[in-house]
Amino acid sequence: DIQMTQSPSSLSASVGDRITITCRASQNIGTYLNWYQQRPGKAPKLLIYAESNLQSGVPSRFTGSGSGTDFTLTITGLLPEDFATYYCQQSYGMRWTFGQGTRVEIK
Amino acid sequence: EVQLVESGGGLVQPGGSLRLSCAASGFTFSGNWMHWVRQAPGKGLEWVSRIRGDGDGSSIMYAESVQGRFTISRDNARNTLYLQMDSLRVEDTAMYYCVRAVGAPGKIDCWGQGTLVSV
Repeated sequence: DIQMTQSPSSLSASVGDRITITCRASQNIGTYLNWYQQRPGKAPKLLIYAESNLQSGVPSRFTGSGSGTDFTLTITGLLPEDFATYYCQQSYGMRWTFGQGTRVEIK
Repeated sequence: EVQLVESGGGLVQPGGSLRLSCAASGFTFSGNWMHWVRQAPGKGLEWVSRIRGDGDGSSIMYAESVQGRFTISRDNARNTLYLQMDSLRVEDTAMYYCVRAVGAPGKIDCWGQGTLVSV
C-alpha cells in the first residue's frame, strides 16, 4: 500500500499567519492527492482535490501544490475557524490511504 | 441535498459481529462509488473498503487490516450501503463513516455523520 506521511504532526499559529503542511507519498502518485479538514466532533470536509483544485465553497486562502511524491497545503491568513486537523489522502492506489493528520492549534 | 446516514453501530464483544447500514439520498446512488472510512478515538482517518456503483464484485477492495473479516455490499434499489463486520477485534473500535467518492481521480465529497462501533 502507498504510505502517506504528513509533517508536522502539529503546529501552533496565530490568526492571520500563513502556514504550510507537507505530505509525502511512498511512491509517485501523480496529482492523485486530496486534502481534508476535520473540526473536533465533526466529519471531515474536502478542501482540495487532484493536488490543487479548490472544492466548491472552499475559501481561496487554501491552496494546494506539488506532484509526484511531495505535496503541500498552504493556508494564507489563518482565521479562527481554520484551527482544525488536516489530512492528505491519495486516490492513486487500489487501496486509498490517508496521512496521519496535522493538528493546527492556536498559539 | 446529498445526505448519508449511518446506523447499526454499538457495543459488541470481541469475536462478535455487527452490520452497519448507510442510507443515501439526494443523488443517484447507483452511479457512485461508495466507501467506508473509520477513525479510532483520538486517532487519524483509515480507509476501510470500497465498492463501485453497480456493486460489481471485481470492484471491491478492503484495507489489509479488515480483509477476510469485513464485507461491503450495496442495495441500489434501497439506496443503501452495508458493511458486515465479523470476528471483531478491540482495534476495530472506531467511528465508521460512509462516504461518497466522485470524479477521476477520486475524491470524497460527502461524508455521513458516522456510527460508533465499540469492541
